Amino acid sequence: EAQVTQNPRYLITVTGKKLTVTCSQNMNHEYMSWYRQDPGLGLRQIYYSMNVEVTDKGDVPEGYKVSRKEKRNFPLILESPSPNQTSLYFCASRGTSGRVGGSNEQFFGPGTRLTVL
Amino acid sequence: GEDVEQSLFLSVREGDSSVINCTYTDSSSTYLYWYKQEPGAGLQLLTYIFSNMDMKQDQRLTVLLNKKDKHLSLRIADTQTGDSAIYFCAESILTNFNKFYFGSGTKLNVKP
Repeated sequence: EAQVTQNPRYLITVTGKKLTVTCSQNMNHEYMSWYRQDPGLGLRQIYYSMNVEVTDKGDVPEGYKVSRKEKRNFPLILESPSPNQTSLYFCASRGTSGRVGGSNEQFFGPGTRLTVL
Repeated sequence: GEDVEQSLFLSVREGDSSVINCTYTDSSSTYLYWYKQEPGAGLQLLTYIFSNMDMKQDQRLTVLLNKKDKHLSLRIADTQTGDSAIYFCAESILTNFNKFYFGSGTKLNVKP
């Protein structure tokens, strides 16, 4: 089954304790992206990757790192989490590289609810 | 970033039509999307429209795009209780297809 998976689905941690949220897709997609969802703010893009070893900042990259060593995986790293990073995080992937004429459809993972105390 | 705005709530009766509205600021938008999020789930693409189109219809869904007013709407005909969800409008822009801007979401409540 074609899907985007994220782990863990739920995480409660404390300020300053490094954590990684994994994201994996089995559709051989080139493009992957991370978003956070906060009430009243919708989804905001954190980082995206257009292919292996190619990443770029979205709108809210501060406090986050990413890496893309393999095509299927795109982990989100919080080196020193703070309470303002408490949020619902979504990973997404897309097959096209953004050519005009394609659907540009993103496939979303189920989300990771992170609480930083 | 770009501004994409939506009203937060909409309540309709089962069988009525729902119209969810969205405004955006970037005139160079290329794709505009409607996503649906059910409780506890990720986002699912419902439909999209390319910016050189005015309208797109897909079964019960009709998307209207007014480029002059930068206004996008999603009409759901014969709304069912299963349509209750949060609906997000989103855009990607000509200068960077890889960046996406989402609205805050409209929570649709369908009453039986």
